[in-house]
Amino acid sequence: DSGVTQTPKHLITATGQRVTLRCSPRSGDLSVYWYQQSLDQGLQFLIQYYNGEERAKGNILERFSAQQFPDLHSELNLSSLELGDSALYFCASSVAMGEAPQDTQYFGPGTRLTVL
Amino acid sequence: DAKTTQPPSMDCAEGRAANLPCNHSTISGNEYVYWYRQIHSQGPQYIIHGLKNNETNEMASLIITEDRKSSTLILPHATLRDTAVYYCIVRVAYPRAGNNRKLIWGLGTSLAVNP
Repeated sequence: DSGVTQTPKHLITATGQRVTLRCSPRSGDLSVYWYQQSLDQGLQFLIQYYNGEERAKGNILERFSAQQFPDLHSELNLSSLELGDSALYFCASSVAMGEAPQDTQYFGPGTRLTVL
Repeated sequence: DAKTTQPPSMDCAEGRAANLPCNHSTISGNEYVYWYRQIHSQGPQYIIHGLKNNETNEMASLIITEDRKSSTLILPHATLRDTAVYYCIVRVAYPRAGNNRKLIWGLGTSLAVNP
């Protein structure tokens, strides 16, 4: 158990809908990262937040957005869903900004999103 | 960030050492090598990281060649629970640009530990 929690574990929805994925980082961690993993693909970095502020952005679609709240939990919002958005979505957290070599990322169990 | 090359799959007998290679021939001086593993659709798990010296922890050992162009992750006594996809990632320390903090993931090596 990494200490990172994600809800829900599974989510099934229809095309065109909007969903929200939630992540709670490990106690004391200030950074939250979101990743997408499609079937048989490597993890794709989406976005990083540090202490409420966006720090880095990857291949995140405009239909997707995220935020980190004052209690440091984060939400990833996915809208106008398409079949291709079906994937595993992982959240990770690290103590600081993730720059120092020892500031490793610890991953949650993921949310499996299925768009029908 | 430098790219890595790993064999797509490997087999290992239970109880034997598993040696997983990684090629990172374009690695630069301030880039670290990280290893993670992912057990069947679970969240990736951090294993170990290093710069140029060999490293060991309770999970594994990391051997980095002197020229730093390749490395090997060693699981000394593989068990069935070590069956997973193992990812080798290189990343610069203290990156100037924000996006360089991200980890770039390849497809990894699928390790099958057989009884």
